[in-house]
Amino acid sequence: DTEVTQTPKHLVMGMTNKKSLKCEQHMGHRAMYWYKQKAKKPPELMFVYSYEKLSINESVPSRFSPECPNSSLLNLHLHALQPEDSALYLCASSQEPLNTEAFFGQGTRLTVV
Amino acid sequence: GENVEQHPSTLSVQEGDSAVIKCTYSDSASNYFPWYKQELGKGPQLIIDIRSNVGEKKDQRIAVTLNKTAKHFSLHITETQPEDSAVYFCAAGDNTDKLIFGTGTRLQVFP
Repeated sequence: DTEVTQTPKHLVMGMTNKKSLKCEQHMGHRAMYWYKQKAKKPPELMFVYSYEKLSINESVPSRFSPECPNSSLLNLHLHALQPEDSALYLCASSQEPLNTEAFFGQGTRLTVV
Repeated sequence: GENVEQHPSTLSVQEGDSAVIKCTYSDSASNYFPWYKQELGKGPQLIIDIRSNVGEKKDQRIAVTLNKTAKHFSLHITETQPEDSAVYFCAAGDNTDKLIFGTGTRLQVFP
């Protein structure tokens, strides 16, 4: 199983809503990542969890709140988002931190209205 | 911080021809260079990677070369097929567990 599963695939939310994105992997990977990708742009790193601890926060606004409940799960809690936050949110995992092969999920297409 | 430039932004080739995509990086501490293929509506898929202690790596029709002195690395796809059509991203990483992506190349392979 080399799969990273993200749910939901699509999400439309209002600016006052609270929602969560979920990511799951069963490869025993110890590093998990959240990326944001705007149309026709490369993925941009948001957060890195290494051994279930937040190791990198790329100065992401506090309306995005990551959570790693266990080594297989990664959540991204969303609150009071802006329309410019609409994007594809990608989760990835790798066996170890420090640049080993990273597997990406299919992403959640988020639209903020 | 690291900056990765990628060229060309679009590339059109005839089926069976070769395609070459080039990237340059700025941080000499970078030591890991993966290439990702992203098809429409999907997440990026790793297709090949190379580390700074290796100059070239090949996997069937795909090869990557690295010139550490010049801070260049390139993706070579031979005998292109229509299913190779996608957006390709290079990336560079160092020991901070951060990957910096290039701006992407949209490859179109015409039958």
